[in-house]
Amino acid sequence: QVQLQESGPGLVKPSQTLSLTCIVSGDSVSRGTYYWSWLRQPAGKGLEWIGRVHSTGSTDYNASLKSRVAISVDRSNNQISLRLTSVTAADTAVYYCSTGNYYTDFLYWGQGALVTVSS
Amino acid sequence: DIVMTQSPDSLAVSLGERATINCKSSQSVFHSANNKNRLAWFQQKPGQPPKLLIYWASFRESGVPDRFSGSGSETDFTLTISSLQAEDVAVYYCQQYCTTPLTFGGGTKVEI
Repeated sequence: QVQLQESGPGLVKPSQTLSLTCIVSGDSVSRGTYYWSWLRQPAGKGLEWIGRVHSTGSTDYNASLKSRVAISVDRSNNQISLRLTSVTAADTAVYYCSTGNYYTDFLYWGQGALVTVSS
Repeated sequence: DIVMTQSPDSLAVSLGERATINCKSSQSVFHSANNKNRLAWFQQKPGQPPKLLIYWASFRESGVPDRFSGSGSETDFTLTISSLQAEDVAVYYCQQYCTTPLTFGGGTKVEI
């Protein structure tokens, strides 16, 4: 069973960089042909896909965030990383990492990490 | 981007009654490579991550009660809860995985 756990600072100042890590257990980030995604959800609102990284390291990003986001694979520590630069209050949300299989992108989810952007 | 539009935004259903949620995509999500509609349904309860219920529009994920069913094709899809139980109170989202960016509907809140 794949388990995902997001970790990182819960508070980030405006204009700074948000950095989160998704620790993967029960599987390898180098697994097969599947993707590892980051998503976010502002309080009381819907889900937004931020982007994903393939086990090979190739990435796809949501164009709405593409200029500010980077997702990478850390094979030595079996984890996925998210960096979002120049944050504003609009980036305040619960951030999730998720992965899937051949029939879905989002089968396994972390519990989510609340990140608040505030001075 | 493929825009996913859900209706209604919320609905109240009596215990044991049927709940129907609709989802419409701005473009077809049918994928000719495997003749499947790349449409999923998720259930989210407060304080929890979403849970996959349905994939390929009509295939129930392992462990999901059979009162949950999905139907539809191309651009119009439906999630049906045949007999609502108390534990089904949640927000439900449809999601397309035909093309990036992967997109979700705005959610439908189901209450008793």
